[in-house]
Amino acid sequence: AQKITQTQPGMFVQEKEAVTLDCTYDTSDQSYGLFWYKQPSSGEMIFLIYQGSYDEQNATEGRYSLNFQKARKSANLVISASQLGDSAMYFCAMRGRRGNNRLAFGKGNQVVVIP
Amino acid sequence: NAGVTQTPKFQVLKTGQSMTLQCAQDMNHNSMYWYRQDPGMGLRLIYYSASEGTTDKGEVPNGYNVSRLNKREFSLRLESAAPSQTSVYFCAISESVRGETQYFGPGTRLLVL
Repeated sequence: AQKITQTQPGMFVQEKEAVTLDCTYDTSDQSYGLFWYKQPSSGEMIFLIYQGSYDEQNATEGRYSLNFQKARKSANLVISASQLGDSAMYFCAMRGRRGNNRLAFGKGNQVVVIP
Repeated sequence: NAGVTQTPKFQVLKTGQSMTLQCAQDMNHNSMYWYRQDPGMGLRLIYYSASEGTTDKGEVPNGYNVSRLNKREFSLRLESAAPSQTSVYFCAISESVRGETQYFGPGTRLLVL
């Protein structure tokens, strides 16, 4: 079974600064995928970024990058140049072996961007 | 929300009542999922449908049934609602179960009294 751990308390970030959100995972699968989703106060779940376990380079999508350290089983999300609209809950999720697309979610990190 | 719609947006039920949550997609994706989100928690998978005509249990299926009506629609039914089913329900889609990204609908907030 997959397990995702997100333990950081809520974070306050100054606008235009970078923020790193921690995510560690546990799995016995050799092939897996890691995802980050954003959930603003309006409630929808917005896909941000994906990293495959065999990808050699860290994934990037605009201001989002995923710091993937396979040996440490961590997949931290880095948001550069924070904006007020980045205030939200952020969830790390993991998909196990192919053929079973069940996503296991962490409990989330709360981020508040202050001007 | 990647072409995923959910109805209703909000619902209040009394214990023992039944209801069906509807999910429809216009992306022609094969796989559809139902999750629930409880306060302070991430999402947990209730049921999923890898393709039209198939459904499988997820992590927390007890108290729910699903129907994959056609490729576009995947419904979640509560036959006899309980207060423990108070939650936010999300429908999600992906091209297949082979690992592509899942895209979520806007959610349904359900309160069971």
